[in-house]
Amino acid sequence: QVHLVQSGAEMRRPGASVKVSCKASGYTFTNYGITWVRQAPGQGLEWVGTISSYYDNTYMAENLQDRVTMTRDSSTDTAYIEVTSLRFDDTAIYYCARGSWNYDAGVRHYYMDVWGKGTAVTVSS
Amino acid sequence: IQMTQSPSTLSASVGDSVTITCRASQTISHYLAWYQQKPGRAPQLLISKASTLESGVPSRFSGSGSGTEFTLTIDSLQPEDFATYFCQHYNNFPYTFGQGTKLDI
Repeated sequence: QVHLVQSGAEMRRPGASVKVSCKASGYTFTNYGITWVRQAPGQGLEWVGTISSYYDNTYMAENLQDRVTMTRDSSTDTAYIEVTSLRFDDTAIYYCARGSWNYDAGVRHYYMDVWGKGTAVTVSS
Repeated sequence: IQMTQSPSTLSASVGDSVTITCRASQTISHYLAWYQQKPGRAPQLLISKASTLESGVPSRFSGSGSGTEFTLTIDSLQPEDFATYFCQHYNNFPYTFGQGTKLDI
């Protein structure tokens, strides 16, 4: 059975950094992408970024690309997202999700078929 | 690419059929997914590639559309279907979500 287990809730001061982990099990980790999505309190879903299958290419939301790093470690089947220079409006639940894909003309189009339970990140002074 | 869902909220009763619309600001072929989210829970994939039902999702859910206009239809609403629904395009990066449609009783 496919599972994504995320690390626990975090609280940080503005300007600090946070790193969230997402451990996968039940499937071949490198065959799928990992997408990160966040949801601010009472708000909708915001795509943060995707790390591709096989080649670990990263694609990020333009408003976050200067402060977000996504990585994956195939030796431990774990993905990570790090957000630096935290701001109050980074307060959100951060979800990781497995990126299954549709393949068309040499391009993988990733959709999110299995989700972690989310990690609450609170930025507070 | 902007994704616009309508309506933002929808009131219905058990047994009703409802349709949610999602419009893309430019063509996204059929790379459109629908997710259901219940309060305090992670989203759950319902449909990918505009109309492919995810394994385990009841057949009362269906999706259609291509290009810029898409619909999610739920037939014969069940109590567990009252939730928030999001569309999301995955045609090219950056991916974007619709703002959500809250379906309540």
